[in-house]
Amino acid sequence: TQLLEQSPQFLSIQEGENLTVYCNSSSVFSSLQWYRQEPGEGPVLLVTVVTGGEVKKLKRLTFQFGDARKDSSLHITAAQPGDTGLYLCAGVKGGGADGLTFGKGTHLIIQP
Amino acid sequence: DAGVTQSPTHLIKTRGQQVTLRCSPKSGHDTVSWYQQALGQGPQFIFQYYEEEERQRGNFPDRFSGHQFPNYSSELNVNALLLGDSALYLCASSLAFGVLAGYTFGSGTRLTVV
Repeated sequence: TQLLEQSPQFLSIQEGENLTVYCNSSSVFSSLQWYRQEPGEGPVLLVTVVTGGEVKKLKRLTFQFGDARKDSSLHITAAQPGDTGLYLCAGVKGGGADGLTFGKGTHLIIQP
Repeated sequence: DAGVTQSPTHLIKTRGQQVTLRCSPKSGHDTVSWYQQALGQGPQFIFQYYEEEERQRGNFPDRFSGHQFPNYSSELNVNALLLGDSALYLCASSLAFGVLAGYTFGSGTRLTVV
């Protein structure tokens, strides 16, 4: 059973377009993290959201945590080829000793 | 500032064999977690080590075992390898009580079982 569902699984858009990636769950998480992974590398942390309704911005990336702390979204404005990669959301339960629960990821390709 | 170091980077083993993967955590981190990432999937939590003890374990059989050393480095051992064990194995380090700061991942060990 996949506790975190990400959509879409694959997305290919042109440079300059906007996009939103969704991460949904029936479980409540104490916090949620977004990672970006490039081929042959491990995931790299982008952001951690903790409070329900929280919005965090990282340059052209906007992250939102749902009010009930069950879902999250990542919005990219004016996508660039350098944004290409696998975007993973990961939920944290409790103090984190249970590790991260990852979604399957969204494969994003930004074409020049 | 060295991040997480994993070795080896690639490994080919035969079904039934045993394998040991190694991880050195980021400087200052005291906790090591291991993840298995199958092709096209997100990473799955195997277990986490803190103070040289297994703190928590995911849904993996006993063929998967680990160890953490006094210098916080860690090993992942897999016995009786199956074809389905072929995957990227990721090590992630963190602070035991600083999960909000996130995990630092290594580049992984690509294990192929033939």
